[in-house]
Amino acid sequence: DAKTTQPTSMDCAEGRAANLPCNHSTISGNEYVYWYRQIHSQGPQYIIHGLKNNETNEMASLIITEDRKSSTLILPHATLRDTAVYYCIVRVGSSNTGKLIFGQGTTLQVKP
Amino acid sequence: EAGVAQSPRYKIIEKRQSVAFWCNPISGHATLYWYQQILGQGPKLLIQFQNNGVVDDSQLPKDRFSAERLKGVDSTLKIQPAKLEDSAVYLCASSFSLAGSAYNEQFFGPGTRLTVL
Repeated sequence: DAKTTQPTSMDCAEGRAANLPCNHSTISGNEYVYWYRQIHSQGPQYIIHGLKNNETNEMASLIITEDRKSSTLILPHATLRDTAVYYCIVRVGSSNTGKLIFGQGTTLQVKP
Repeated sequence: EAGVAQSPRYKIIEKRQSVAFWCNPISGHATLYWYQQILGQGPKLLIQFQNNGVVDDSQLPKDRFSAERLKGVDSTLKIQPAKLEDSAVYLCASSFSLAGSAYNEQFFGPGTRLTVL
């Protein structure tokens, strides 16, 4: 079973920041948090991952709470093309063979 | 760089028939994954290969599903015989999996949509 819980759906206005929350209260000390998204009829796409520190890349920022029990994915300026299902995943297992257990994700609808 | 290739993109069969899916991972990627995604759900891992060895097949229904990865490159997933509940998108993914690295980005193919009638 997935070790994360996410809201089923969220809306965001185009050009505004989208903040997607995720709870992972049973995460272990060496387990990473990954975010993927899946645009309709495509395979999932990697966004970002982190362990303890906040992370930022060209797509998004990941904020992980100090106790690591929750995190937030931030899309700083959402566009219509960011409409997708966003999956927050705790990777289970060792570094290069660990597996991703997907939950149901959050459907983000970006509106004009 | 070419992505993960899968074929066919769509397949319609009747129950009790057999079907096979093919995946060509990104060149140099040691790890290959097959996922099943039922409509409205997240992908579920069926089997994971490291080179041509199986790392995890705990969720693979072995009475009807089989998979192989010959020579550590291409892979095929087979269902025989198919059931109605096998209707889903079958996704293949690959990752570089540098030993000792925490970075394990998986690159997904477009998937094969299977409909069992």
